[in-house]
Amino acid sequence: RKEVEQDPGPFNVPEGATVAFNCTYSNSASQSFFWYRQDCRKEPKLLMSVYSSGNEDGRFTAQLNRASQYISLLIRDSKLSDSATYLCVVTRQGAQKLVFGQGTRLTINP
Amino acid sequence: DGGITQSPKYLFRKEGQNVTLSCEQNLNHDAMYWYRQDPGQGLRLIYYSQIVNDFQKGDIAEGYSVSREKKESFPLTVTSAQKNPTAFYLCASSREYEQFFGPGTRLTVL
Repeated sequence: RKEVEQDPGPFNVPEGATVAFNCTYSNSASQSFFWYRQDCRKEPKLLMSVYSSGNEDGRFTAQLNRASQYISLLIRDSKLSDSATYLCVVTRQGAQKLVFGQGTRLTINP
Repeated sequence: DGGITQSPKYLFRKEGQNVTLSCEQNLNHDAMYWYRQDPGQGLRLIYYSQIVNDFQKGDIAEGYSVSREKKESFPLTVTSAQKNPTAFYLCASSREYEQFFGPGTRLTVL
């Protein structure tokens, strides 16, 4: 079993739609959680951290369920510029090492 | 402008040749990392270094070597022992858990 698993995708949705991504992780000792965004043939960039209480940044909402070892990302009112691959990322206990999911590709259609 | 630079952007090499990828950062970060990304997959950790003159193997270190003689620099050598070296290589540095990535080097071995 992979340490971090994401929805396989790809997701193709119309502009303005709401889209949700899910991610599960296997290491219950994981301490920090993130969503990164990666545009085609570019480097990943931090989209947002994920906190236990859930957090929101504009149209983006991230949630964490430690009991179920589950992370989600919700994008509301999607824009064409949201088209990218979204990477779920967790840390390994006691280290600054990140473990990346394989990513979910999102395409927003006009 | 603070950031991470990687060079070259594209690199072509013949099978059996060693090649060194450059990574420089001026963010004054202590920790640096090398990842490999294959098409449709997430990032996999090759090596990381938390301080100068010290580094540790990641999940896929075989066929690679690194050095960390200066805080700003963390070059990666892809040796002829690496079975499938063609990939997108990403260097990162971190402040606590957030990692900042360079633009990457696409290595193609012919």
